[in-house]
Amino acid sequence: EAAVTQSPRNKVAVTGGKVTLSCNQTNNHNNMYWYRQDTGHGLRLIHYSYGAGSTEKGDIPDGYKASRPSQENFSLILELATPSQTSVYFCASGGTGGGDTQYFGPGTRLLVL
Amino acid sequence: QQKVQQSPESLIVPEGGMASLNCTSSDRNVDYFWWYRQHSGKSPKMLMSIFSNGEKEEGRFTVHLNKASLHTSLHIRDSQPSDSALYLCAAMTNSAGNKLTFGIGTRVLVRP
Repeated sequence: EAAVTQSPRNKVAVTGGKVTLSCNQTNNHNNMYWYRQDTGHGLRLIHYSYGAGSTEKGDIPDGYKASRPSQENFSLILELATPSQTSVYFCASGGTGGGDTQYFGPGTRLLVL
Repeated sequence: QQKVQQSPESLIVPEGGMASLNCTSSDRNVDYFWWYRQHSGKSPKMLMSIFSNGEKEEGRFTVHLNKASLHTSLHIRDSQPSDSALYLCAAMTNSAGNKLTFGIGTRVLVRP
């Protein structure tokens, strides 16, 4: 199975602060994704990328930026964190074929105070 | 935007029993379905995928797909306490560029 790692695993941030969540995958997948998971909403797509240098807006991009500096790394950036961004964030990677499975990292639990 | 509806929201199953979960997409162009399992505090793990009409079986797990009704179901036979988890259905259309849309999930509790 694809290996996707995330850091940090837990983060406490202050309102208005900057938060960077990092994701690394070692399976040479072109596509990478950032989701958040909240009770009652399921998994929602924030940003995704088709390869190094590319980022695309997902379904809920407001308040978030993304960066894909290399094939392996994909970051999610909260420039001005707000309490509403308290959530569990998952990174995933997958191939470019239509039926390719997405593989998830272990998640980052973010609390914005 | 595609929506994926799952039912029931939660399910209690006796150990050794059968669990049946349902999932329907609102997008007539849906091409692929996945079922993920997520244990408490963990990340989603792909359980099964199904792309063509019919049935697919892997061990105690069986998935059905009816593309005409945009409906897939997951059946777990001989349920074990370790099957207690959140089951997520995800759908993808080719035109959406490898983006998955997830349902909210069905929480399954297997009682010993």
